[in-house]
Amino acid sequence: KAGVTQTPRYLIKTRGQQVTLSCSPISGHRSVSWYQQTPGQGLQFLFEYFSETQRNKGNFPGRFSGRQFSNSRSEMNVSTLELGDSALYLCASSLVLGGTQYFGPGTRLLVL
Amino acid sequence: KNEVEQSPQNLTAQEGEFITINCSYSVGISALHWLQQHPGGGIVSLFMLSSGKKKHGRLIATINIQEKHSSLHITASHPRDSAVYICAVISNFGNEKLTFGTGTRLTIIP
Repeated sequence: KAGVTQTPRYLIKTRGQQVTLSCSPISGHRSVSWYQQTPGQGLQFLFEYFSETQRNKGNFPGRFSGRQFSNSRSEMNVSTLELGDSALYLCASSLVLGGTQYFGPGTRLLVL
Repeated sequence: KNEVEQSPQNLTAQEGEFITINCSYSVGISALHWLQQHPGGGIVSLFMLSSGKKKHGRLIATINIQEKHSSLHITASHPRDSAVYICAVISNFGNEKLTFGTGTRLTIIP
């Protein structure tokens, strides 16, 4: 089976712009979670989707949003980018909620 | 205080040494994950456990629910084990989100 894929892998944006990141889970996995990793804060949970419904949300401002499609693919969107949004954004999929998570390679976002 | 604490933060050892990385948490959990992150960012899930002990190759993970503590052991360490090891817990408060430790940077010297 193909692993979790994320696109794009690298992205450079400027402050105030918005960005959409995409995640394709492992075939058959219905749960997709998103994480932000920065040198200062480490790994932090953003949100989790299961069967197109957001099941959990971390402590991030409303500028961070996401959605999941009927084929389990997920997107996350960050509006009005700030310098502090520069990070590695990781997506992980699992067969069931709370199951073993399989991580994608991440999207490295740089905000200038 | 973080909900998940790891020690040590950094660990350098000689090839062949037995490695132990510790994780303590302060909340009730339904499961605990050990993750491995290599330079470049890729994360691999090593173990998910809720009790007892699991072994995979040279890696062993244990958890003591009463003491709220888990350990990751690496036997016969090798330079390719050099990575950041991250402990993460799923709380049992009803949601399923992962809370992460700050990671342990392991360097194995040949």
